[in-house]
Amino acid sequence: KNQVEQSPQSLIILEGKNCTLQCNYTVSPFSNLRWYKQDTGRGPVSLTIMTFSENTKSNGRYTATLDADTKQSSLHITASQLSDSASYICVVSDRGSTLGRLYFGRGTQLTVWP
Amino acid sequence: EADIYQTPRYLVIGTGKKITLECSQTMGHDKMYWYQQDPGMELHLIHYSYGVNSTEKGDLSSESTVSRIRTEHFPLTLESARPSHTSQYLCASMDTGPNYEQYFGPGTRLTVT
Repeated sequence: KNQVEQSPQSLIILEGKNCTLQCNYTVSPFSNLRWYKQDTGRGPVSLTIMTFSENTKSNGRYTATLDADTKQSSLHITASQLSDSASYICVVSDRGSTLGRLYFGRGTQLTVWP
Repeated sequence: EADIYQTPRYLVIGTGKKITLECSQTMGHDKMYWYQQDPGMELHLIHYSYGVNSTEKGDLSSESTVSRIRTEHFPLTLESARPSHTSQYLCASMDTGPNYEQYFGPGTRLTVT
């Protein structure tokens, strides 16, 4: 069964600190893995997208890693800001459908305190 | 920022009413999607469309229906709203670039009393 599991479910950190969010998946075949940021009451916004051959990608203070062998990804946030408070969703796309089928994790709810 | 819009953003309505959630995009994308999301839960695909006059049901069974008469417009209709329909509804469209990027609208928070 194709699944995407994220941990931790929620995380509280102080402003300026770093954190790492985890994503494990069983989706096969694999096409790409995306990290989205979803503010409360808003739609998800793409942060990074990585294909099978990529093992790291950065977007400002966000750095995603991918280990396609172990089917694990992480999102590292550096020098956190209050505006980083949001849900971070890991999404995996399979290669087996022209639909562009996406499998969503439940997200990690990050809260940054001043 | 993606050019995909949803209205209304918030809707509180009584049981039995008919409602239509609007979604439009100005990017010329053929593929469009509707997702349902409950608090703290993952997004579930309820409808998708490959293009004009194409509509399909997604993974999660839904009593809603959709139509795609124009490329830019993908409305979702509930003929008779029930409290179990209370949820957030997210519309998305997908480009045809190498990564098939999916762009989401801001969502409609529906509450049925």
